[in-house]
Amino acid sequence: QVQLVESGGSVVQPGTSLRLSCSASGFSFSHYGMHWVRQPPGKGLEWVAVIWDDGRKEFYEESVKGRFAISRDNPKNTLYLQMNSLRPEDTAIYYCARDSGFNSFGDYLASWGQGTLVTVSS
Amino acid sequence: SYVLTQSPSVSVAPGKTATITCEGDNIGRKNVNWYQQKTGQAPILVISNDKDRPAGIPERVSGSNSGNTATLTISRAEAGDEADYFCQVWDADSDHWLFGGGTGLTVL
Repeated sequence: QVQLVESGGSVVQPGTSLRLSCSASGFSFSHYGMHWVRQPPGKGLEWVAVIWDDGRKEFYEESVKGRFAISRDNPKNTLYLQMNSLRPEDTAIYYCARDSGFNSFGDYLASWGQGTLVTVSS
Repeated sequence: SYVLTQSPSVSVAPGKTATITCEGDNIGRKNVNWYQQKTGQAPILVISNDKDRPAGIPERVSGSNSGNTATLTISRAEAGDEADYFCQVWDADSDHWLFGGGTGLTVL
């Protein structure tokens, strides 16, 4: 079955960088778009970014545009989120999720990982 | 930008029907998806494309969408249905995936 395992979460100071990883298994990774979604403590879900199955296109939520970069390594079945210039408001659980579309974008997020916690604090 | 609005909380008695709504401008023209998130767990998809149930989701969970309101209905509510429920759409104008603020369902 689909398995997504995030890693890389940590406590970091404002202005620093962090890279999250998401290891995927149980499906043909190179044929699906992949998302990052975050959830601040006690709050709702916020979509962060998406990358096409072949990595050629990416889209970002406005507050992270220019600071975060989503990427993927298809041979390694791994998704990444490079986060730069981190702010306290970036504190959240970060989930990776598989898009619903095969070889194209779908409307929804079909499978989710368990998340990794990023805390930005001085 | 497109906004999805959900009531913060809904309560339902065991065995009764819970109705959770998601409002948006002409949301009936979009595909609406619903996620359930229990305390301390990751979200899971419970309804896709307005009314489709993924494998393993019981028939008493259903969805509809028309006009400016999408609805998630949980019939014969059980204690195990207690969770936060989030609606979600894909906004073609911005190529963004958008979530509603979430509704906390209490079964009591």
